[in-house]
Amino acid sequence: QSALTQPASVSGSPGQSITISCAGTSSDVGGYNYVSWYQQYPGKAPKLLIYDVSSRPSGVSDRFSGSKSGNTASLTISGLQAEDEAEYYCNSYSSRSTHYVFGTGTEVTVL
Amino acid sequence: QVQLVESGGGLVKPGGSLRLSCVASGLTFSDSYMNWLRQAPGKGLEWVSYISSTGSNIYYADSVKGRFTVSRDNAKNSLYLEMNSLRAEDTAVYYCARDWRHGSGSYSPWGQGTLVNVSS
Repeated sequence: QSALTQPASVSGSPGQSITISCAGTSSDVGGYNYVSWYQQYPGKAPKLLIYDVSSRPSGVSDRFSGSKSGNTASLTISGLQAEDEAEYYCNSYSSRSTHYVFGTGTEVTVL
Repeated sequence: QVQLVESGGGLVKPGGSLRLSCVASGLTFSDSYMNWLRQAPGKGLEWVSYISSTGSNIYYADSVKGRFTVSRDNAKNSLYLEMNSLRAEDTAVYYCARDWRHGSGSYSPWGQGTLVNVSS
């Protein structure tokens, strides 16, 4: 199962907006609107932030938004806050594996 | 409050077996599509297995197919993962998680995880 490609790290100052990319292929990200995003603090379980590319579960801050263009999905965090420091993972259906594959993960640092 | 609690992890020798459990509360377990996922130390997330609400549909990642068996007991609100022929590369924190929107690869909530350490 080939993982989706994410930048290892992204940083920003409080109040800024940052975007995390999730690069795939036409067999996964580009071919299906089944992209989800997760936030994970060290030693904790992941938390669902975005599903179906851009839908947000109730209770998730509207500072988190998702989008997709071609074979790349993106998670944007607006109004960056110290509490946003965490690891972020994307996930997509893959027709090559007929399963769901995760991205490599991105560490977000608030400067 | 919706809660998933895993148990059964521990230290096991290569080639050994282990059975993980996940008990659900605060949700209608019998209507829930469930998954096992794992995360090796310092590594990313990996989906391991899926079982439908009735247990009639089951899927596995290629990395565990033929060695792991997922099952559920809706009367006990419980999900299980029987792991055989364990390898060092199976060392990970194992999470159970419910499908958030069935068929979309979205998972919520997740349990707190249970650590499986395969080592001689």
